[in-house]
Amino acid sequence: LAKTTQPISMDSYEGQEVNITCSHNNIATNDYITWYQQFPSQGPRFIIQGYKTKVTNEVASLFIPADRKSSTLSLPRVSLSDTAVYYCLVGVTYGNNRLAFGKGNQVVVIP
Amino acid sequence: DTEVTQTPKHLVMGMTNKKSLKCEQHMGHRAMYWYKQKAKKPPELMFVYSYEKLSINESVPSRFSPECPNSSLLNLHLHALQPEDSALYLCASNLPGGRGADSPLHFGNGTRLTVT
Repeated sequence: LAKTTQPISMDSYEGQEVNITCSHNNIATNDYITWYQQFPSQGPRFIIQGYKTKVTNEVASLFIPADRKSSTLSLPRVSLSDTAVYYCLVGVTYGNNRLAFGKGNQVVVIP
Repeated sequence: DTEVTQTPKHLVMGMTNKKSLKCEQHMGHRAMYWYKQKAKKPPELMFVYSYEKLSINESVPSRFSPECPNSSLLNLHLHALQPEDSALYLCASNLPGGRGADSPLHFGNGTRLTVT
């Protein structure tokens, strides 16, 4: 079973910052938090991964509070090409763990 | 473009056909995965190979038969499928991690399968 809960859909205007929160109340000590982006008819693409506090790369930031029971993906200044489904995954892929995707969040960027 | 290549991109097959999906990666990854994705649903895990050995089978029907001939290749053999098996089949790979780290999954763009 997926360990995560995300809002189903959200709209945003071009140029705005988009924040997507994922709840993972049952996160385990060894679990990582990984976000993927998926466009129609393509495979999911890795965006960012973190364990605690804040992680930033060239496309996004990931904020993780101290209790790690939630995380927020922040996309700065979105463009139309950021319209996609965003998945938050919690867990690890080693040790025969069944890393399961949650329902994802459809982000629609409006001109 | 992705570093995981899946062929064919599209496949239409009858319920009595036998076909195979192919996945290839040259990133040195030693774990490879098959996922199935229906429209507007998240990917569902089917199989995991770790170091060319099947490590996870998510109770997938035997009409789906995976094969990992070497560390770069992953096949999914299909036989006697049903129309409800129509979906996007995704292959992924990563480095099997260890404690203290995890390796993100790298996905191909999938094979769009239609069973008639």
